[in-house]
Amino acid sequence: SYVLTQPPSVSVAPGQTARITCGGNNIGSKSVHWYQQKPGQAPVLVVYDDSDRPSGIPERFSGSNSGNTATLTISRVEAGDEADYYCQVWDSGSDHFYVFGTGTKVTVL
Amino acid sequence: QVTLRESGPALVKPTQTLTLTCTFSGFSLSTSGMCVSWVRQPPGKALEWLAVIDWDDDKYYSASLMTRLTISKDTSKNQVVLTMTNMDPVDTATYFCARINEGASGSTQFDHWGQGTLVTVPS
Repeated sequence: SYVLTQPPSVSVAPGQTARITCGGNNIGSKSVHWYQQKPGQAPVLVVYDDSDRPSGIPERFSGSNSGNTATLTISRVEAGDEADYYCQVWDSGSDHFYVFGTGTKVTVL
Repeated sequence: QVTLRESGPALVKPTQTLTLTCTFSGFSLSTSGMCVSWVRQPPGKALEWLAVIDWDDDKYYSASLMTRLTISKDTSKNQVVLTMTNMDPVDTATYFCARINEGASGSTQFDHWGQGTLVTVPS
């Protein structure tokens, strides 16, 4: 099955830039989506199709995808960005059609 | 405004069958491209996709759980039901339902989620 690997944690100071990676075999050929999940809440879609933002998501959230790595970038990090972040792809060749990454805890210092 | 809400038992005994209902509004599962999926999350762990049903009544399941899962829909009631047989303590998790709007471009993201319901299977 297709595996998406994320770093367990990323720490960043307020106002700085956080970069969260999502590694997968030839992930650049797939559409990658990113979710933010705060404690006790449902995930919220923050980036879809590699780099598009749903309405209401700040421009500070951006994404890129190439080769074997997709990246979610959070610019000018705020305290409210502290959360778990998950990448997700759809893989028709997988036995788990919708695949989530292992998740990254973003801590704002 | 799209909303989804999960309902079902908070506690299920080992070997029992879990039945969860997702009641949604703001869209119709008879509309081409619409799908509703179930995703679960054990405490402190990552999200895990379980099953999906689409507007055409096509159903897909996680390979590791497909022998235990059944997903169905009642379009008139705007509901999707997931059953999971032979529950085990490792199935303790928050269960979410979520919408996928494939649209014309075949989108594959979960754009709206329910708040989730915690199901505990005691050991």
